[in-house]
Amino acid sequence: QSALTQPASVSGSPGQSITISCTGTSSDVGGYKYVSWYQRHPGKAPKLILYEVSNRPSGVSHRFSGSKSGNTASLTISGLQVEDEADYFCCAYTSRSTYVFGTGTEVTVL
Amino acid sequence: QVQLQESGPGLVKPSQTLSLTCAVSGGPVSNGDYYWTWIRQPPGKGLEWIGYIYYTGNTYYNPSLRSRLTISVDTSKNQFSLSLRAVTAADTAIYYCARDRMNWGFDYWGQGSLVTVTS
Repeated sequence: QSALTQPASVSGSPGQSITISCTGTSSDVGGYKYVSWYQRHPGKAPKLILYEVSNRPSGVSHRFSGSKSGNTASLTISGLQVEDEADYFCCAYTSRSTYVFGTGTEVTVL
Repeated sequence: QVQLQESGPGLVKPSQTLSLTCAVSGGPVSNGDYYWTWIRQPPGKGLEWIGYIYYTGNTYYNPSLRSRLTISVDTSKNQFSLSLRAVTAADTAIYYCARDRMNWGFDYWGQGSLVTVTS
């Protein structure tokens, strides 16, 4: 199972919106609604920020939103804040009943 | 608040067995709403899902690791464990344990445990 493809890095200024893509295949991203997104600050445990493409767990900011079109899922961070600077990675359920993660994206707040 | 904490040796010799334990606090591993999962990240690479165990002992493994892998659970100690046999340098990684809400995402993770395979 190949990793899902994410841009290595995305940057934006405070207050801007950025979007991170996550591209897979019809056997993972395109085949199921089970796409989740995670935020990881250096040295910290990853944090679930979206599940089932666009659902936010309790306590996660409304500035995080998700969507999916075909084999590509996307995470949008609106009103970018300094604390959003972190690594982000997607994850998708697969046709083999396993999970595959994205390559990861480093978000920099300029 | 649920917390997960990995523990185990940081160095393992090639061909030996890598063993890690994940201690869970704040909730029982016998909660039937969750799978208990291992995930790893080799240096400079992306995350890789290793496999999960249900409190009944049922497991599901990544096919690429299945022949070398055992995940077990101890409900009396509220923990679950990973055993990866015949390791090579390619198994060097940060190993995370996590709670899987059954397709609703991994909602709690450990901090990660770096395991280096070296002679």
